[in-house]
Amino acid sequence: QVQLQESGPGLLKPSETLSLSCTVSGDSISSFYWSWIRQPPGKGLEWIGYIHYSGSTNSNPSLRSRVTMSVDTSKNQFSLRLSSVTAADTAVYFCARWVLYNWFDPWGQGTLVTVSS
Amino acid sequence: EIVMTQSPATLSVSPGERATLSCRASQSISNSLAWYQQKPGQAPRLLIYGASTRATGIPARFSGSGSGTEFTLTISSLQSEDFAVYYCQQYNNWPPLTFGGGTKVEIK
Repeated sequence: QVQLQESGPGLLKPSETLSLSCTVSGDSISSFYWSWIRQPPGKGLEWIGYIHYSGSTNSNPSLRSRVTMSVDTSKNQFSLRLSSVTAADTAVYFCARWVLYNWFDPWGQGTLVTVSS
Repeated sequence: EIVMTQSPATLSVSPGERATLSCRASQSISNSLAWYQQKPGQAPRLLIYGASTRATGIPARFSGSGSGTEFTLTISSLQSEDFAVYYCQQYNNWPPLTFGGGTKVEIK
């Protein structure tokens, strides 16, 4: 059974860079594509981007200029960096397996990142 | 970008009753639609993919239908554990992959 777990700092100041990792257990990270999705408090879901173990990535055009994703196959882990954060980036960040270029399943439990001075 | 619109925003239903949730796409997405359930403090859980195929372990009271631009999620007889927020997501045209704004199913 595949499980995902996000980790990273929960509090950032404006203009800093958000860095999160997602550790995958129960399956090889080389088997699928993986995604990041976020949810501002009390709001809906926004897709951030995906990464493949080969290093192939794509991201939401609305965030593309600030997003960097990477994968570490030795740790079975993938990561997200979002630069120049503002209060609008405050959200719960989820990692998820992206199945066959389609739906997301399963999801990590999510981690809240707050941007505040 | 394909915009997904869900209605209603909130649906008040009594336990045991039927709930019908709608999701509309701004352009045709064939049957490239998934539904998720999210409970407070939890991650979304996949319910339906391909507009009508239940994910593994999802009870038969959940059913999905539709194609093109109009989709429906039906919960045939609401159980206490079904009160949650439901999201639709399209995967026909990306980037970006997009979600609807959600429908909250609350106890009447």
